[in-house]
Amino acid sequence: DSGVTQTPKHLITATGQRVTLRCSPRSGDLSVYWYQQSLDQGLQFLIQYYNGEERAKGNILERFSAQQFPDLHSELNLSSLELGDSALYFCASSNPGTANSDTEAFFGQGTRLTVV
Amino acid sequence: LAKTTQPISMDSYEGQEVNITCSHNNIATNDYITWYQQFPSQGPRFIIQGYKTKVTNEVASLFIPADRKSSTLSLPRVSLSDTAVYYCLEGFQKLVFGTGTRLLVSP
Repeated sequence: DSGVTQTPKHLITATGQRVTLRCSPRSGDLSVYWYQQSLDQGLQFLIQYYNGEERAKGNILERFSAQQFPDLHSELNLSSLELGDSALYFCASSNPGTANSDTEAFFGQGTRLTVV
Repeated sequence: LAKTTQPISMDSYEGQEVNITCSHNNIATNDYITWYQQFPSQGPRFIIQGYKTKVTNEVASLFIPADRKSSTLSLPRVSLSDTAVYYCLEGFQKLVFGTGTRLLVSP
């Protein structure tokens, strides 16, 4: 158990719909990362938040948005869903160290989204 | 964002040592090198991290030469359960994954 909780584990929805994926980071972790992984594809970095603020942005579509709340949990909102959005969505958290060190990130088990 | 290069796939047999090398041609001075392992339908799992020279833990060893332009993950005596995708990452607090190396361990 990594300590990172993602809900729901599975989600099936229709094209055009909107869904929200939730991530609870490990206790004390300030950074949250979101990734998309399509079938047999690599991990595509979407976005990172640090203590409520957006820290880095990757290949995140305009139809997707995310936020990190004061309690540090994060939500990834996916709207106007398309068949191609079907994928595993992972959340990771870490507690960044000082400038002279780095930290490991802990991943959740993912949310499998199926758009039909 | 920093870009790493590693082999797409590797094959090995149980009991052998496996070395996976990653190129870090543009690594920044402050960047650490980190390796992750991912099994199908699971989130990646941290294996090892280093800055330079050699780091060893209970799972693997990581060799980083003085110029830090490459890193080699060494898995001693692999088993079938080591079949997974292995990713090398570089960067301080950056978690950008490349394509990874798909390791297949056969009996």
